[in-house]
Amino acid sequence: GAVVSQHPSWVICKSGTSVKIECRSLDFQATTMFWYRQFPKQSLMLMATSNEGSKATYEQGVEKDKFLINHASLTLSTLTVTSAHPEDSSFYICSAGAPLHFGNGTRLTVT
Amino acid sequence: QKEVEQNSGPLSVPEGAIASLNCTYSDRGSQSFFWYRQYSGKSPELIMFIYSNGDKEDGRFTAQLNKASQYVSLLIRDSQPSDSATYLCAAGLRGGADGLTFGKGTHLIIQP
Repeated sequence: GAVVSQHPSWVICKSGTSVKIECRSLDFQATTMFWYRQFPKQSLMLMATSNEGSKATYEQGVEKDKFLINHASLTLSTLTVTSAHPEDSSFYICSAGAPLHFGNGTRLTVT
Repeated sequence: QKEVEQNSGPLSVPEGAIASLNCTYSDRGSQSFFWYRQYSGKSPELIMFIYSNGDKEDGRFTAQLNKASQYVSLLIRDSQPSDSATYLCAAGLRGGADGLTFGKGTHLIIQP
């Protein structure tokens, strides 16, 4: 069964609104979780590392004020896409654990 | 700069044959190595991981690691059309809990 649960699976939102994506570790605690983004037919791109109880670490070029990450517990990390725009439309995937497992991903469409 | 290199393909293999996927990594400190399968529009799924030199078999899949050559491979025996996917190679420390470096993936096509 799935060891990393991600919700929602897909979301459509209007430009300018914010969207929250949840990532949960099932049956294990995760002090670190990872958020990826993948555009169609392209590679996985690491966006940020979510650290329980402290600030997330963002990869170069990822706007931390736009992609807010909160990791308030050992089983939950959230990614909030603030003021979403059509160019933010993508497949967002979280991962956690050792060995590393991925959630099912969230397909975001911004209209 | 840690890098994991894979041939992007597509790699086309007849059904029933052995598919061989290869990967090299740059960081000699890497301790754990992973193969993920990703179907179009889906998230990656862990297929195998290997930590020690040599071969590790699981069903139709065999992972091979050669740390001296910094080389990892995945063999798929008796290839099925359902094996058609993109295969991602990844390297890291401690089982990946601290993060992994991913290759760009090899697109595998199994021809019926």
